[in-house]
Formats: sequence, structure tokens, C-alpha cells
Amino acid sequence: SQKIEQNSEALNIQEGKTATLTCNYTNYSPAYLQWYRQDPGRGPVFLLLIRENEKEKRKERLKVTFDTTLKQSLFHITASQPADSATYLCALDTGTASKLTFGTGTRLQVTL
Amino acid sequence: DTAVSQTPKYLVTQMGNDKSIKCEQNLGHDTMYWYKQDSKKFLKIMFSYNNKELIINETVPNRFSPKSPDKAHLNLHINSLELGDSAVYFCASSPSTASGRSPLHFGNGTRLTVT
Repeated sequence: SQKIEQNSEALNIQEGKTATLTCNYTNYSPAYLQWYRQDPGRGPVFLLLIRENEKEKRKERLKVTFDTTLKQSLFHITASQPADSATYLCALDTGTASKLTFGTGTRLQVTL
Repeated sequence: DTAVSQTPKYLVTQMGNDKSIKCEQNLGHDTMYWYKQDSKKFLKIMFSYNNKELIINETVPNRFSPKSPDKAHLNLHINSLELGDSAVYFCASSPSTASGRSPLHFGNGTRLTVT
């Protein structure tokens, strides 16, 4: 069956450290992969998009990698801050136009 | 100047009732969506419309009927509400149907509670 898996347990890290979140998928061959941030009581907010022929994408303190062989994307936040605490969702285009399928999300908690 | 707005934010109703959720986007996007987020925070697509035409109907019970009067609006009507319909419903929009390469812009959700 087709799956998009993210760490279901919350990730707790100390301020200033690098947070690394994982998105694994099976039985998909996405051309694009996106990452979103969701705060409690709010809708997801788009962060980054990476294409299958791109290995890495950066935006300020954020970095995304995309390994189509491992079927995995890693999302890094460097110099993390308490304000980075949120749930992070990965999403794939799953072969059908207009359909973006989301992973289960990982909650990140950055403490002082 | 909210980009994607949904109303109401909260909706509490009894089983068997009919209710509607409204969504409007002022981004000029052609494609709009309804997603459902359950209690485990899993976000699942329900419908997609492009320029008022239905593109995706993701095996949603026919008690759910989306309506798009124009490309800036996508409403969701739910008949005969059931307990299992309790969830947060998100409206979203994107510039084109190729949502894989177009970021989605989400509203802040409507929390539906069926008692």
C-alpha cells in the first residue's frame, strides 16, 4: 500500500541545535515534495518545495533534501528557536494532477 | 486581507442535521480544495475544483456536496451529519491544478463537532 510516514513522536530539541525531521514514503514516485508548518488552531503554511531532480533546497535556516532512491526527504532547521515549535508536514504529489497527499506530521518542540 | 477565509471557525451541531461551510480566496487562484483533518491530525483531501469544475472526489460519502459558484468560492454542504464527521475541515487554493508543483494556501479551518 502507499504510505507517507513521518515520526509520530514529538521531537524535542534545545534552542540553537539543528532539528532534523524525516519523511519516508513507499510505493510513490513523486516529482515534487513539499514541506508545511502547522501551528495549533491554524492551517498549514507552505515552507519549501523540492523537485525530484534536486538533491537539496535551502531557505534561510531551512534545508530540505530529497533522495528518490531511499524514498526519503529530510527537513532541517538550523539554529532552532522556540518560535520554530510547531507540527511539520511533508506532502507529495501522488501521480494525479491536483492531488497533494500529506504525511502524518511531526511535532517539534524547541526548548530554552 | 486574509488570503483564504473560511466560515464559521467553529460549528457544533447534532447528528442528523445539515450544515454548510463557506470558503473564499482572494489570491486569484484557479484551483480550490477541501481537506479533512481528523483527531490524529491526518490531513486528507476530499475534493478539488478547478475553475468551478470538480476534478477530484476522493471517495467521500455523497452526504458531502461541494459547490463552487465561481472560482473564488468553494462551499461544502454536509447532509445528515454523523458523529464520525467531527473533524477540522480546511479549505485551500493553489494557482493551478498541478498542486505538486504549486504550494497550497490554506484557510484556518472549521472545527466541526457533531454531538
